[in-house]
Amino acid sequence: DSGVTQTPKHLITATGQRVTLRCSPRSGDLSVYWYQQSLDQGLQFLIHYYNGEERAKGNILERFSAQQFPDLHSELNLSSLELGDSALYFCASSVHSGGRPTDTQYFGPGTRLTVL
Amino acid sequence: GIQVEQSPPDLILQEGANSTLRCNFSDSVNNLQWFHQNPWGQLINLFYIPSGTKQNGRLSATTVATERYSLLYISSSQTTDSGVYFCAGNDYKLSFGAGTTVTVRA
Repeated sequence: DSGVTQTPKHLITATGQRVTLRCSPRSGDLSVYWYQQSLDQGLQFLIHYYNGEERAKGNILERFSAQQFPDLHSELNLSSLELGDSALYFCASSVHSGGRPTDTQYFGPGTRLTVL
Repeated sequence: GIQVEQSPPDLILQEGANSTLRCNFSDSVNNLQWFHQNPWGQLINLFYIPSGTKQNGRLSATTVATERYSLLYISSSQTTDSGVYFCAGNDYKLSFGAGTTVTVRA
């Protein structure tokens, strides 16, 4: 158990819908990262938040957005869902203690999203 | 962005065998991690190893940062070692390789 929790574990929805994925980082971790794992793209970095502020964006679609709340949990919102958004979405957290963010990232169990 | 190449793509082992997985990076990395993705999809941290050598039980890893590669050694493999092994690196925006799928047969 990494200490990172994600809900829900599975989500099945229809095209055009909107869903919210939730992540709670390990106790004491200030950084939260979101990754997407799909069959065709592999594991890709989406976005990074540190202590409530967005720090970096990767290959995140405009239909997707995220935020980190004062209690440090994070939510990833996916809207206007398409079949191709079906994937495993991971959240990771790290301490990110000052200077370069080279801390170990610990991954949650993931949310498996299926868009029908 | 940084490119991560893993080899071999697939590996079939008999229980008890040893193996070496390799990870090459197109540029220098500051944050290098190895993961094991089990059949249930969970990504399990194996090593944080931007340089040097580390060991954890039957697993060990070596990173030669100046030559931009890392090796993961599995010794005396067991069926529970089956799964996909990923290496990833590059600051906080981890770039992942395509993985090595390991199948250990009893």
